[in-house]
Amino acid sequence: DTAVSQTPKYLVTQMGNDKSIKCEQNLGHDTMYWYKQDSKKFLKIMFSYNNKELIINETVPNRFSPKSPDKAHLNLHINSLELGDSAVYFCASSQDWAGGISDTQYFGPGTRLTVL
Amino acid sequence: GESVGLHLPTLSVQEGDNSIINCAYSNSASDYFIWYKQESGKGPQFIIDIRSNMDKRQGQRVTVLLNKTVKHLSLQIAATQPGDSAVYFCAERENTDKLIFGTGTRLQVFP
Repeated sequence: DTAVSQTPKYLVTQMGNDKSIKCEQNLGHDTMYWYKQDSKKFLKIMFSYNNKELIINETVPNRFSPKSPDKAHLNLHINSLELGDSAVYFCASSQDWAGGISDTQYFGPGTRLTVL
Repeated sequence: GESVGLHLPTLSVQEGDNSIINCAYSNSASDYFIWYKQESGKGPQFIIDIRSNMDKRQGQRVTVLLNKTVKHLSLQIAATQPGDSAVYFCAERENTDKLIFGTGTRLQVFP
């Protein structure tokens, strides 16, 4: 049983294109996140949603737009892709928001985005 | 600015030995710390966490030590196995803020 799943696993696209990455969690968690991991393995949060409400919006270009249709899904849409967007994007979820009793984050398998 | 770093980017140990992965953090207000393991091609996997009201927490074969005086966190893995080979990340958080991850340490286990 996959707890946090992402599609696609690999995404190769041309500069300037628009693409989406989907994330679903079947853990019944209230909070979901998007992280970006660069080529040096540095992991940085991009967005967080709690009960479909945007909680964290880091300094991310507005070409990136998260969308949460329901608590179990958090999709990431990227417009006008640039070379620097190439990275691995991880979705994560936690039962509670930070500071709650069950705020441990569980990560998906990642989506490797390559922009040519 | 805030930073969470690791002393050693790569740690090589022999199978059966104990491993110690260190992490320094700079935000003295951080009150929650967590270790993740990331195997090649996979997402980070939760190992163990600790809150600032504790100095030590043990799990199965793993122990996390927190020294708030010197802002230091360590992960000890007992009887290291080949399956422990991965990149290990520490992360910190202040109150209800976001998790800030360190740069990662690669653990290599040799037979």
